[in-house]
Amino acid sequence: QSALTQPRSVSGSPGQSVTISCSGTSSDIGAYNYASWYQQHPGKVPKLIIYDVNKRPSGVPARFSGSKSGNTASLTISGLQAEDEADYYCCTYGGSYILWVFGGGTKLTVL
Amino acid sequence: EMQLVESGGGLVQPGGSLKLSCAASGFTFRASLIHWVRQASGKGLEWVGRIRDKPDNYATAYAASVKGRFTISRDDSKNMAYLQMNSLKTDDTAVYYCVRRLFNAFDIWGQGTMVTVSS
Repeated sequence: QSALTQPRSVSGSPGQSVTISCSGTSSDIGAYNYASWYQQHPGKVPKLIIYDVNKRPSGVPARFSGSKSGNTASLTISGLQAEDEADYYCCTYGGSYILWVFGGGTKLTVL
Repeated sequence: EMQLVESGGGLVQPGGSLKLSCAASGFTFRASLIHWVRQASGKGLEWVGRIRDKPDNYATAYAASVKGRFTISRDDSKNMAYLQMNSLKTDDTAVYYCVRRLFNAFDIWGQGTMVTVSS
């Protein structure tokens, strides 16, 4: 069961934008519009911030946005804030055999 | 407040068994799809398995890494879900989260319970 591929780390300065990619295959990311993103601060529980590729749950700032192109989903954080420093995980449905699969996680550092 | 609370974690020897519990409150548990996700220390999230609701005959599915060793069950009368873990390996050491899936995402997470497999 292969994980989705994310960059190990990304960084940006306050106020800037960063994009985190999540690469899959035509059987998972490419097959379904089910990509979701989770934010996890150190020692905390993961929190859903994007679902169905580009939808935001209530309470999640509009600075967080999602998109998909082919077999790659992306999370963009605009107007970076210090509190955005965390680990980010993508996830999607991988079909009836793989079922659900997560990315390896990306550590976002706000410089 | 919608909440999931796990319990039952602890230290177990390789080859041993452990049963985790997940107590739900604040939402209609019987209509919910419940998953288990784990996270080894310093590592990423790994999907473990899921159980559907009664209309889908409480169907279960598991990751290849735990299939045949782990079993998920639920008791809707008690708003509880369970993860029975047998033939535990050191690689199973992780924090185990009980999670609700709403549509196509995991929207409610428990606080997690730590399982350590070690001799």
